Amino acid sequence: EIVMTQSPATLSVSPGERATLSCRASQSVSSNLAWYQQKPGQAPRLLIYGASTRATGIPARFSGSGSGTEFTLTISSLQSEDFALYYCQQYNNWPLYTFGQGTKLEIK
Amino acid sequence: QVQLVESGGGVVQPGRSLRLSCAASGFTFSSYGMHWVRQAPGKGLEWVAVIWYDGSNTYYADSVKGRFTISRDNSKNTLYLQMNSLRAEDTAVYYCARDRGMTTVVTPFDPWGQGTLVTVSS
Repeated sequence: EIVMTQSPATLSVSPGERATLSCRASQSVSSNLAWYQQKPGQAPRLLIYGASTRATGIPARFSGSGSGTEFTLTISSLQSEDFALYYCQQYNNWPLYTFGQGTKLEIK
Repeated sequence: QVQLVESGGGVVQPGRSLRLSCAASGFTFSSYGMHWVRQAPGKGLEWVAVIWYDGSNTYYADSVKGRFTISRDNSKNTLYLQMNSLRAEDTAVYYCARDRGMTTVVTPFDPWGQGTLVTVSS
């Protein structure tokens, strides 16, 4: 099983500032890495797939980068609606899909 | 629009069974692989099971293998999860989710349903 490790567990950032979230895989997942956003009481929503491609309707302030074992999600200028939980997921080692433990993005 | 709606959750005693359903609409259901993913209260996401678009292959997480069965009825645009021998640690919100891409297993999940809560307790 590929273990996905996200850091930090909690990130405190002020609105309008940049947020950088990290995800590390225990072995290479190529570019088969997705990021999801989850707000309280809601289902996860796909933000980024293929490590760097924004999903339909996702604002340009969200960007993803990385390949192999190291990945980053960057939110360039935080809006109030961006404060949420974020999960990374590898889908390279199917069917053993695995998620990171999540990063909580909170208002500073 | 593409929509997934889960149902069938509730409170069940340990050792009993429950069947979840996921009604799909807004897309050609028979062309996509489908998944169940769960989230225990206050915890992260755990993939549970996948079924191929035509039902020909199924795979399970080790934590549910031998107890849970994923199935689908393409004539009814519905996905199922039969859960037997339930344990307290199966307590979670269960989401159904669609493969984002067709004809490939190397794809993320998009979209997701709103989830249904299963509580296993005596």
